[in-house]
Amino acid sequence: GQNIDQPTEMTATEGAIVQINCTYQTSGFNGLFWYQQHAGEAPTFLSYNVLDGLEEKGRFSSFLSRSKGYSYLLLKELQMKDSASYLCALKDSNYQLIWGAGTKLIIKP
Amino acid sequence: DGGITQSPKYLFRKEGQNVTLSCEQNLNHDAMYWYRQDPGQGLRLIYYSQIVNDFQKGDIAEGYSVSREKKESFPLTVTSAQKNPTAFYLCASSIEVGTGYEKLFFGSGTQLSVL
Repeated sequence: GQNIDQPTEMTATEGAIVQINCTYQTSGFNGLFWYQQHAGEAPTFLSYNVLDGLEEKGRFSSFLSRSKGYSYLLLKELQMKDSASYLCALKDSNYQLIWGAGTKLIIKP
Repeated sequence: DGGITQSPKYLFRKEGQNVTLSCEQNLNHDAMYWYRQDPGQGLRLIYYSQIVNDFQKGDIAEGYSVSREKKESFPLTVTSAQKNPTAFYLCASSIEVGTGYEKLFFGSGTQLSVL
């Protein structure tokens, strides 16, 4: 079957670094997405990985290891506005998106 | 500015009532989707449409119906057959379906509750 796991909630301090992990099991793989969602708002696209390695985009980076079924989102220089849920989603062999339940990130001053 | 507009933001349904959620996009995207979001769960696909006058059932289509008469519009009707409709509903669009990398653009959502 197909499965995606993320931690339910994480807490970090303003200015620090946090890593949000996403592990998955799937019979086919066509890419992995990360989205950010503030409470009661629309999810917005952050990153896409289809090859192994690290993709850096400003304060946010995303890493993928296909052999390990593992991805992480790295947030640097945390700001209060980064308090949100972070959704991991993979595209399976049929190009359908399978979504994780999301990780709620709480930033403390 | 281009984007996706969902309305209303909040909606209440009475027992036995059908309600319709609106979704309009001006991004000129071919593909549109409806997702349901429940606390502690990942997004679940209700219906999607790749072109006008065509749509496909997602994982949880029972109790819902859609239409795609115009490229810009993809309304979702929650029928009385949907026994547990309370959820946050998200509409999304993408340039096309099934080509690997195509990011989704989401509307701001509709919170549906049962009276």
